[in-house]
Amino acid sequence: EVQLVQSGAEVKKPGESLKISCKGSGYSFTSYWIGWVRQMPGKGLEWMGIIYPGDSDTRYSPSFQGQVTISADKSISTAYLQWSSLKASDTAMYYCARHYERAADGPGYFDLWGRGTLVTVSS
Amino acid sequence: DIQMTQSPSTLSASVGDRVTITCRASQSISSWLAWYQQKPGKAPKLLIYKASSLESGVPSRFSGSGSGTEFTLTISSLQPDDFATYYCQQYNSYLFGGGTKVEIK
Repeated sequence: EVQLVQSGAEVKKPGESLKISCKGSGYSFTSYWIGWVRQMPGKGLEWMGIIYPGDSDTRYSPSFQGQVTISADKSISTAYLQWSSLKASDTAMYYCARHYERAADGPGYFDLWGRGTLVTVSS
Repeated sequence: DIQMTQSPSTLSASVGDRVTITCRASQSISSWLAWYQQKPGKAPKLLIYKASSLESGVPSRFSGSGSGTEFTLTISSLQPDDFATYYCQQYNSYLFGGGTKVEIK
């Protein structure tokens, strides 16, 4: 089955670090970009960044540049999103999504999504 | 930066209604637009890509149209399973619209 499996919910304190994961299976993980999307409570979707696991080429939304780090380990088909010092405002659901790109369909869109990882940051 | 504006933000409709959601880009994005459906507590689901191409497995009551700066998502006959929030996304820079919540009237 083609799927993205995300790590479980996290509860952290402000200032703590965190790394959440997204494991792909059922397809060639190194052939598709993986994106990360934030959804704050009761709010809309925000694109954070995207990584190509084949060579770890990474692009960030200007809104998230410097705030998070996206990485990947192609040997275990897993992408990561990490924070070095969490803030209460990082409380949100975080989704990973596979970026599907085909020349005829343009720059590509997110065709496969993980179920999300809920991150709660509270003192 | 290209801005994406969705309207309305909330829509009240009945089962069987024809529903139209609009997404406007601040500058031309050709046909590089996708539509997603999100139900409470669930991940988004791709419905439409390249403005009007129906993703495999998506019911044919969903359709998309438009190019350039104005796009629409239409549900021809609203079904109980369709009450959800819908997002457009321009995939040059992956920016999402603000979302449209389709509620039961």
